[in-house]
Amino acid sequence: TQLLEQSPQFLSIQEGENLTVYCNSSSVFSSLQWYRQEPGEGPVLLVTVVTGGEVKKLKRLTFQFGDARKDSSLHITAAQPGDTGLYLCAGYYGNNRLAFGKGNQVVVIP
Amino acid sequence: NAGVTQTPKFRVLKTGQSMTLLCAQDMNHEYMYWYRQDPGMGLRLIHYSVGEGTTAKGEVPDGYNVSRLKKQNFLLGLESAAPSQTSVYFCASSHLYEQYFGPGTRLTVT
Repeated sequence: TQLLEQSPQFLSIQEGENLTVYCNSSSVFSSLQWYRQEPGEGPVLLVTVVTGGEVKKLKRLTFQFGDARKDSSLHITAAQPGDTGLYLCAGYYGNNRLAFGKGNQVVVIP
Repeated sequence: NAGVTQTPKFRVLKTGQSMTLLCAQDMNHEYMYWYRQDPGMGLRLIHYSVGEGTTAKGEVPDGYNVSRLKKQNFLLGLESAAPSQTSVYFCASSHLYEQYFGPGTRLTVT
């Protein structure tokens, strides 16, 4: 089993603040993905990072893949209530399978 | 284009009853997956399929069976439901690395 640990488990911040959540593993992944899940819905893919050191931006969200391809971070600038959700990281481990972390629950208070 | 759909959305079963969850995708994806999501446990892979007529075990396959008779459908069966199978079940499909999830089925076994 490919273990992905996400921290912090829960984060509550005020609208307009910045936040960073982390996804760490002892395993090397050829690619890593971030999904966002809202209550009562399935996860929705936000980004895929493939190259060690890669940085991708999606509006106010910045994703970074560690140089060794074992870890990743998600930074949200000027968080909005619409950013509230469960953020899941997932590492690809062959035969099109993903190993998921337990998630970072983010709550942005208006 | 509906993406991935799941039937039913909610179900309550008594211990020992059987049921089948249906997943359908209209994206012509080769790969399909069944996950369960439990509080504090994240998404765990039950079974998956790499193409029509194929199935394979995931991380937590015990107590479940699957079939992929048609490319667009992936069925998850519980032959004799147990309270430990109370969970939210998600189906997903993929072409390459990116997985597309259905809205989930909330199953309660009493």
